[in-house]
Amino acid sequence: KAGVTQTPRYLIKTRGQQVTLSCSPISGHRSVSWYQQTPGQGLQFLFEYFSETQRNKGNFPGRFSGRQFSNSRSEMNVSTLELGDSALYLCASSSPRSGITDTQYFGPGTRLTVL
Amino acid sequence: QQQVKQSPQSLIVQKGGISIINCAYENTAFDYFPWYQQFPGKGPALLIAIRPDVSEKKEGRFTISFNKSAKQFSLHIMDSQPGDSATYFCAASLIIQGAQKLVFGQGTRLTINP
Repeated sequence: KAGVTQTPRYLIKTRGQQVTLSCSPISGHRSVSWYQQTPGQGLQFLFEYFSETQRNKGNFPGRFSGRQFSNSRSEMNVSTLELGDSALYLCASSSPRSGITDTQYFGPGTRLTVL
Repeated sequence: QQQVKQSPQSLIVQKGGISIINCAYENTAFDYFPWYQQFPGKGPALLIAIRPDVSEKKEGRFTISFNKSAKQFSLHIMDSQPGDSATYFCAASLIIQGAQKLVFGQGTRLTINP
């Protein structure tokens, strides 16, 4: 099976702009989670989608949003970019069984730099 | 409390030695504890994982030791090799509102000297 893919791999934006990142999960996986990774804060959970519904959200401002499509592909959007949004954004997919925690498989990430 | 505390932040081990990374948690609702390995420029890759009903799990040179009463778990890398040099993250997972949430430790940068 192909792994989790993320596009683009690298992105440079300026403050105030907005950005959309894309994630294609492993075939058959219906849950997609997004994480932000920075040297100072480590890996932090952004949100999780399952069957086009956001089920869980981390402690990030409303500028961070996402959605999931019927084919389980997901996008996340960051509006009004700030310098502190520079990070590696990681997408992870899993095939969750109801009420049971399971393995999340990560993509290579999108490196976002905000100038 | 949904934190996972990981130590040390960095670790240098000689080739052939044993690398040990420790993690601790507070929330007893966590029910799945994976370890991830991350190389520069790559996403985290699952290394090994354990559930709290067992005290140890071994896969090749990698072993997780789990102490449920102390709420601690650790990763042991036996016969450490230069190719093991990477950042290692412990994590703990729980179900919130029907959805799985993964909480990560801060990471350990492991360097294996040849």
